Amino acid sequence: QSVLTQPPSASGTPGQRVTISCSGGSSNSGSNTVNWYQQLPGTAPKLLIYNYDQRPSGVPDRFSGSKSGTSASLAISGLQSEDEADYYCAAWDDSLNGALFGGGTKVTVL
Amino acid sequence: VQLVQSGAEVKKPGASVKVSCKASGYTFTSYYIHWVRQAPGQGLEWMGIINPSRGSASYAQKFQGTVTMTRDTSTTTVYMELTRLTSEDTALYYCARGTVGTFWDYWGQGTLVNVSS
Repeated sequence: QSVLTQPPSASGTPGQRVTISCSGGSSNSGSNTVNWYQQLPGTAPKLLIYNYDQRPSGVPDRFSGSKSGTSASLAISGLQSEDEADYYCAAWDDSLNGALFGGGTKVTVL
Repeated sequence: VQLVQSGAEVKKPGASVKVSCKASGYTFTSYYIHWVRQAPGQGLEWMGIINPSRGSASYAQKFQGTVTMTRDTSTTTVYMELTRLTSEDTALYYCARGTVGTFWDYWGQGTLVNVSS
């Protein structure tokens, strides 16, 4: 289906590991790469992970990505207060011939 | 690399708005520009893509008939015009540099469009 599904929220204490899932279908995450974006409050989105598991220069290695079937995951290890943000997955959808975003996951550091 | 967008707009329902995105610091015709919007308190929504080299554009189905994306290579500026505005078009509009796909490595600062009677 032409939808990317993310949990609306995730939380953890400083130092913990948090994982966010992104579930799609054969026309999007199953056949095209999934990228992840971090949006800090009041700012534009920032590329966090591309091609499922690649980090752009400057992104800390506590952020990692993976893929399994038609799903992708973003993990934040060693959670820090500055990681409190909204996280979005995105993938091209061949049926729509356009880009899809997941609904976003708000990460809270307790 | 910089993408600098035009300032905030206030429009009445039924009107049109044209938002600009000036690119600098790279070869303008080598990367696509996408437009993404975000309604207040909501998630990100992809609107469409323009190829600055050819001027060709493709739009999300939801926006076909109401959005037009153009470019001016002489000023390295991309434009997004949205017509027949309703209150549901109130949002932050972002331009982003990328390829065909969802790899967007640079983003504009966003332009707030407020549609209100």
